[in-house]
Amino acid sequence: NAGVTQTPKFQVLKTGQSMTLQCAQDMNHNSMYWYRQDPGMGLRLIYYSASEGTTDKGEVPNGYNVSRLNKREFSLRLESAAPSQTSVYFCATLPVSDTQYFGPGTRLTVL
Amino acid sequence: EDKVVQSPLSLVVHEGDTVTLNCSYEVTNFRSLLWYKQEKKAPTFLFMLTSSGIEKKSGRLSSILDKKELFSILNITATQTGDSAIYLCAGANYGGSQGNLIFGKGTKLSVKP
Repeated sequence: NAGVTQTPKFQVLKTGQSMTLQCAQDMNHNSMYWYRQDPGMGLRLIYYSASEGTTDKGEVPNGYNVSRLNKREFSLRLESAAPSQTSVYFCATLPVSDTQYFGPGTRLTVL
Repeated sequence: EDKVVQSPLSLVVHEGDTVTLNCSYEVTNFRSLLWYKQEKKAPTFLFMLTSSGIEKKSGRLSSILDKKELFSILNITATQTGDSAIYLCAGANYGGSQGNLIFGKGTKLSVKP
C-alpha cells in the first residue's frame, strides 16, 4: 500500500516548455487534489477532482490543466511553463473522514 | 472570501518549553478544522476538530476548537527538537467535492536544544 505517489520528484524546465506531473493513489479515495506551496504562501489549491471524470478549479488554476482519467490517477499539466510556476507541488486525496493524505511532492524549477 | 490565519508566523523556543499556536478561520459552510505538521516533505495529519470545546490529545500535542469565536489552538508541551517543523492549520468546508481545505500560511516552530 503505497498511499499517494508522485512523479517526478524534481524537475527543471525552461520557460515555455511543457510537462505533466503524475499522481496516483491506491486507497480507493474519490477526491484528489493538486496544491502548490510557495514560501510564505501556505498551500494553495490549483485543481481538484471529486470523482473520476470530473475536475474543478481551485484558487490558482491559471496556467495549469488537469486530467482524471480513472479513480487512481490525477495528472497536472503545465502547457507553457513560466518562472512564476516554480514551486513545490503536492497531490493529495481526501476521504470522507477529512484526513487528507499527501504525496511526497514535486519540486519544480522554471528557468 | 474564505480565509485561515495562523499566528505567530514563526516561533523560536528552547527544549522543554510549552508553545501555543493559533489559528483563526472564516470558512463558509464550515465542517472541520485540521492541523498538520510539515517537516521537510509532505504535511502529515495531526488532528481533525469538528466540535467546540472537545480537546484532542496525542502525546504532548493537544488541540481544541472554538466554533463561536472561530479559532483553534495547538498546544505542544515539553517541546523537543524533533517538534521543529511548520504547523499548518486548514478549514474544511462543505464544498462541491465532499469538502475543500483552505490552508493558513503556517507557523514555523524552531526548538533549540
